[in-house]
Amino acid sequence: EVQLVESGGGLVQPGGSLRLSCVVSGFTFSDHHMDWVRQAPGKGLECVARSLNRGKSYTAEYAASVKGRFIISRDDSRNSLFLQMNSLKTEDTAVYYCVRDSMMYSFDYWGQGAPVFVSS
Amino acid sequence: DIQLTQFPSFLSASVGDRVAVTCRASQGISRHLAWYQHKPGKAPKLLIYETSTLQSGVPSRFSGSGSGTEFTLTINSLQPEDFATYYCQQIYSYPLTFGGGTKVEIK
Repeated sequence: EVQLVESGGGLVQPGGSLRLSCVVSGFTFSDHHMDWVRQAPGKGLECVARSLNRGKSYTAEYAASVKGRFIISRDDSRNSLFLQMNSLKTEDTAVYYCVRDSMMYSFDYWGQGAPVFVSS
Repeated sequence: DIQLTQFPSFLSASVGDRVAVTCRASQGISRHLAWYQHKPGKAPKLLIYETSTLQSGVPSRFSGSGSGTEFTLTINSLQPEDFATYYCQQIYSYPLTFGGGTKVEIK
């Protein structure tokens, strides 16, 4: 059974940092692209960071809204995906989902979501 | 960036109705479009990928069509569990983008 379990969300002040983790199981992690998708309160879905698979040399891609502040990384030995969020802004407040790319043009498995609240 | 315009943004319907949601891309995306269902407090759920392929376990009352820049999600005979927000997503080029969402509510 495929599972994705996020952790690390919480309350942080503007300008602060937070690191989200996602531990996965039930599939070969290195074969899949992985993404972080967020939903701000009352808003839609936004892909913020993407880690391509081993075949694509784990290339990272970022949305313009977080580029230069967020870093996506992965540790295949621990079946884990990470999102290091720096210089956080109030507009980064959202639920952050760890997501598996099916490799067939879709996101087929999602974690339960990690809430991040940026406020002074 | 490829923009996805989804309409209507809000839809009021009754159980048993047939409803359709449209997603228009700002440029051609071949058939690389997916649809998701999202309920409050839950993770989004993949319904359809590659425009018209039903994800395993999704009821056959859901269907997708289209190509190029215009795509449609159709729900035949709306059921109580279908009241949710629906999003389209293009997986053609990064940044991968979502439509603004269509909230389907009970009339």
